[in-house]
Amino acid sequence: NAGVTQTPKFQVLKTGQSMTLQCAQDMNHEYMSWYRQDPGMGLRLIHYSVGAGITDQGEVPNGYNVSRSTTEDFPLRLLSAAPSQTSVYFCASSYGMSTEAFFGQGTRLTVV
Amino acid sequence: EDKVVQSPLSLVVHEGDTVTLNCSYEVTNFRSLLWYKQEKKAPTFLFMLTSSGIEKKSGRLSSILDKKELFSILNITATQTGDSAVYLCAVEATTSGTYKYIFGTGTRLKVLA
Repeated sequence: NAGVTQTPKFQVLKTGQSMTLQCAQDMNHEYMSWYRQDPGMGLRLIHYSVGAGITDQGEVPNGYNVSRSTTEDFPLRLLSAAPSQTSVYFCASSYGMSTEAFFGQGTRLTVV
Repeated sequence: EDKVVQSPLSLVVHEGDTVTLNCSYEVTNFRSLLWYKQEKKAPTFLFMLTSSGIEKKSGRLSSILDKKELFSILNITATQTGDSAVYLCAVEATTSGTYKYIFGTGTRLKVLA
């Protein structure tokens, strides 16, 4: 069972570069989300989606874009990387309302 | 603004001790509260609570929700070194026909042998 697959696991970017973090799930989950985790800050919600074609902003959306063209995929785009975006990024999915989330293994991103 | 606050931020105990972790919240249109355990990498699910006063148990872990006072506690009895982890609380809130999960900062638990 693949579950939630995030790629890449590690990435180093230069300031100003753009990139896409990939997230795919094979559980036919309706809800998908992206979080960033910084020391002492817990998981902060960047963007989320309640179904294909529907996305919304979380707490810290600036500098990030998302789209949800299929149920399975929810990529996160960094438009112009900044050192403040150095973090560990987690993608999560869940079946729907009031259900447990399944997390990907995380992407450690460093922006220099 | 929706908010989830966990306390304490960190805790060091010895094996065999009992610990209580706290999670308080202020969200619009609460639906559920979830606890996760995070060791090295991805958080893993522990409990989901939707009703006040009903204790959920799994082995040495238990949790309860108080929707009137807006908090939940996670108890771990007879702690073991394998319980060392960050424990995350998340609250599900609905707004304008959609829903989202908001996490607290977590409690870092270290259990010493």
